Amino acid sequence: AQKVTQAQTEISVVEKEDVTLDCVYETRDTTYYLFWYKQPPSGELVFLIRRNSFDEQNEISGRYSWNFQKSTSSFNFTITASQVVDSAVYFCALSEANLRRDDKIIFGKGTRLHILP
Amino acid sequence: GAGVSQSPSNKVTEKGKDVELRCDPISGHTALYWYRQSLGQGLEFLIYFQGNSAPDKSGLPSDRFSAERTGGSVSTLTIQRTQQEDSAVYLCASSLRAGGTYNEQFFGPGTRLTVL
Repeated sequence: AQKVTQAQTEISVVEKEDVTLDCVYETRDTTYYLFWYKQPPSGELVFLIRRNSFDEQNEISGRYSWNFQKSTSSFNFTITASQVVDSAVYFCALSEANLRRDDKIIFGKGTRLHILP
Repeated sequence: GAGVSQSPSNKVTEKGKDVELRCDPISGHTALYWYRQSLGQGLEFLIYFQGNSAPDKSGLPSDRFSAERTGGSVSTLTIQRTQQEDSAVYLCASSLRAGGTYNEQFFGPGTRLTVL
């Protein structure tokens, strides 16, 4: 069965601090995709990143970076030099390449991040 | 181009009433998904449509929930005899197709349902 666990329900940091959001996943598939989405207070889901299971290279995009480690089934997200605008709920998610050929996404329960000025 | 739209944006209803939530996917997208975001529960998959194939209803929480997709485009999620635990944000997403190489899902703004 597939599952995504975000153990941190809520995190508060002071602006300019670095913060890492943890994500651990479970799947029996060898081919799958991992995602991070941001949900700001306005409510819409903002896509941040997608990685496939064959690409373990870490990725950096501005102040955001992602660490994918298949050995520990983790896909952690780090925000460097956090800003107040980063305050949001962040969801880690998984989609399996399954025989049903659907792409349904299994989401974690989210981590609510507060960046304090 | 226009993104995924959902209506209404907010719906307040009384326990026991039926509600209909609407999703307009991006034009040309053959795959459509409904998800539910309950307080403290994250997002959970409800139902998936792909073209004219039978929908995958494996995520629907009870038989009070049903969904249709007319003409391969607009979808309606219906909740009969609403209960307070149905209160949530209902999100719709669409993608060009499903299967094969990954197809990006684009999410709508959601409908916030409150059952009193």
